[in-house]
Amino acid sequence: QKEVEQDPGPLSVPEGAIVSLNCTYSNSAFQYFMWYRQYSRKGPELLMYTYSSGNKEDGRFTAQVDKSSKYISLFIRDSQPSDSATYLCAGGGGSNYKLTFGKGTLLTVNP
Amino acid sequence: ETGVTQTPRHLVMGMTNKKSLKCEQHLGHNAMYWYKQSAKKPLELMFVYNFKEQTENNSVPSRFSPECPNSSHLFLHLHTLQPEDSALYLCASSQDTSPLHFGNGTRLTVT
Repeated sequence: QKEVEQDPGPLSVPEGAIVSLNCTYSNSAFQYFMWYRQYSRKGPELLMYTYSSGNKEDGRFTAQVDKSSKYISLFIRDSQPSDSATYLCAGGGGSNYKLTFGKGTLLTVNP
Repeated sequence: ETGVTQTPRHLVMGMTNKKSLKCEQHLGHNAMYWYKQSAKKPLELMFVYNFKEQTENNSVPSRFSPECPNSSHLFLHLHTLQPEDSALYLCASSQDTSPLHFGNGTRLTVT
């Protein structure tokens, strides 16, 4: 079983839609979780960083972690064409050197 | 320059060539990383350097040889690569367990 499972999509939504991106993980030692956004021909950039179960909100983005079910989510409200990118989830514990990534979900927001 | 800078952006090399990828970080971080990103696969951690000392070699073939002369510079020396080594090679840096900051990568094609 892969440590971080993520549906690669692609996911296509109309502008203004609420987007839900999800990952599951198997490693109980994971203590923190991240979401990265990667535009075409660019490196991943950090979007959200959470350290515990619960929700964390930043503008139109909400990260949700449920450690009991080993499930992490990213919600995007009022999605914009500029949100079109690949979204990578990642989990880690103890040392950042062992960050484990999902495959990424390709999102397209259509105007 | 700010952030993490990688050169070259694109590289095409034959299987008998020797080339090097370069990474420079301007963030004052103490750790640097090489990741490999292939289509439809999660990011694969290759090497980690902490304060110039290699702390992780993730079973990478010897045809990839990292070098970290100081905490701001990281190289990946390549020789006798295989076509399956074609991928996007990403450099990242972090300060202790802070989130990773990525460069925009070098797109490598092995012919």
